[in-house]
Amino acid sequence: NAGVTQTPKFQVLKTGQSMTLQCAQDMNHNSMYWYRQDPGMGLRLIYYSASEGTTDKGEVPNGYNVSRLNKREFSLRLESAAPSQTSVYFCASSEGDRVGETQYFGPGTRLLVL
Amino acid sequence: AQKITQTQPGMFVQEKEAVTLDCTYDTSDPSYGLFWYKQPSSGEMIFLIYQGSYDQQNATEGRYSLNFQKARKSANLVISASQLGDSAMYFCAMRFLTDSWGKLQFGAGTQVVVTP
Repeated sequence: NAGVTQTPKFQVLKTGQSMTLQCAQDMNHNSMYWYRQDPGMGLRLIYYSASEGTTDKGEVPNGYNVSRLNKREFSLRLESAAPSQTSVYFCASSEGDRVGETQYFGPGTRLLVL
Repeated sequence: AQKITQTQPGMFVQEKEAVTLDCTYDTSDPSYGLFWYKQPSSGEMIFLIYQGSYDQQNATEGRYSLNFQKARKSANLVISASQLGDSAMYFCAMRFLTDSWGKLQFGAGTQVVVTP
């Protein structure tokens, strides 16, 4: 099992460009998440999908959109990138969204917006 | 509002020694889950160990164990017999019953450096 995979690993964008970060999991998990990690701030939730067909905003959703394409895939789109979106983006999945469910993370995507 | 505090920004430990990483939290939720993750320099987030708020016994997983003191709202991670590969950032993270997002809330992390 590959677990959670993310593409691309690195990306450089110019301000105003758009891009989609891809995430897939092969653990048959119902819930998927997108986080961003900024220096000194830990991880913050951008969007969340409790199950296929549902998505909800997290702490910092502005400037992002998501699509839960099917049970395996959850993509994050930046419509018009800004330097403030320079960060490391992590996708995660869990079997469900109960308190005791462990979230498993992908390797991350490092994004630089110039 | 819930808050997670890791008071040690960084620490050095000698190989083969044990190290304790502190994590305290502030919540009025009766039900919560507490997780520890390891982030090596390569950047991935690796799940280490989990403790539920209603679990009676402290969790253990190989060389990792939790010193869970619910009354003190403290859940310290103990790594026994440190290895060079344990050098990494360690995050305490929690999920709360009243949090409808299902999100993990993270502490700021503790950087551990294991020396020969």
